[in-house]
Amino acid sequence: TQLLEQSPQFLSIQEGENLTVYCNSSSVFSSLQWYRQEPGEGPVLLVTVVTGGEVKKLKRLTFQFGDARKDSSLHITAAQPGDTGLYLCAGALRGTYKYIFGTGTRLKVLA
Amino acid sequence: DAGVIQSPRHEVTEMGQEVTLRCKPISGHDYLFWYRQTMMRGLELLIYFNNNVPIDDSGMPEDRFSAKMPNASFSTLKIQPSEPRDSAVYFCASSIQGYEQYFGPGTRLTVT
Repeated sequence: TQLLEQSPQFLSIQEGENLTVYCNSSSVFSSLQWYRQEPGEGPVLLVTVVTGGEVKKLKRLTFQFGDARKDSSLHITAAQPGDTGLYLCAGALRGTYKYIFGTGTRLKVLA
Repeated sequence: DAGVIQSPRHEVTEMGQEVTLRCKPISGHDYLFWYRQTMMRGLELLIYFNNNVPIDDSGMPEDRFSAKMPNASFSTLKIQPSEPRDSAVYFCASSIQGYEQYFGPGTRLTVT
């Protein structure tokens, strides 16, 4: 069974703090995506990383794909209450578009 | 542009009844995915299609579940007969070339 473990599972921080969410697996992925999901809605794509070692920045969010394409991280700088939500990573198994979703990190940013 | 459309948004049914969930993908997208989300198991891929053809249905839990995509603009996920353990939020997502998935708002299914 392929698993994508995310850590931490829950995170409650003050506005302005920095945080990092990790996504780890023993499987190799051809691509990895990060999503944010708010209550009652579907996940919304934040970024797709494809190349091992790739780093992408989206405003205050920095995403990194591990060199071996088995893991990824999401770093948020100066978190804001609008960043609150469920963060999910999803990896596509090599040679397929079969996506495995991570266990999720529920982030709450307090004003 | 309209996003992925799912109907109904909420469905409450009794055990043993047939349930049909519907999805209209974004026009021009060639991949369609069906997912199920529960607190216990998270978000799980059930089946995905490419150009209306099912590619991988290994996530479909059992024979009670079936999915079809008769054309590029419509897909259904059917559960017959439904059971309480099928209660979940079911999402449909579409993408171009399988990469960036755009999710619909989901159908919350409750089986009593």
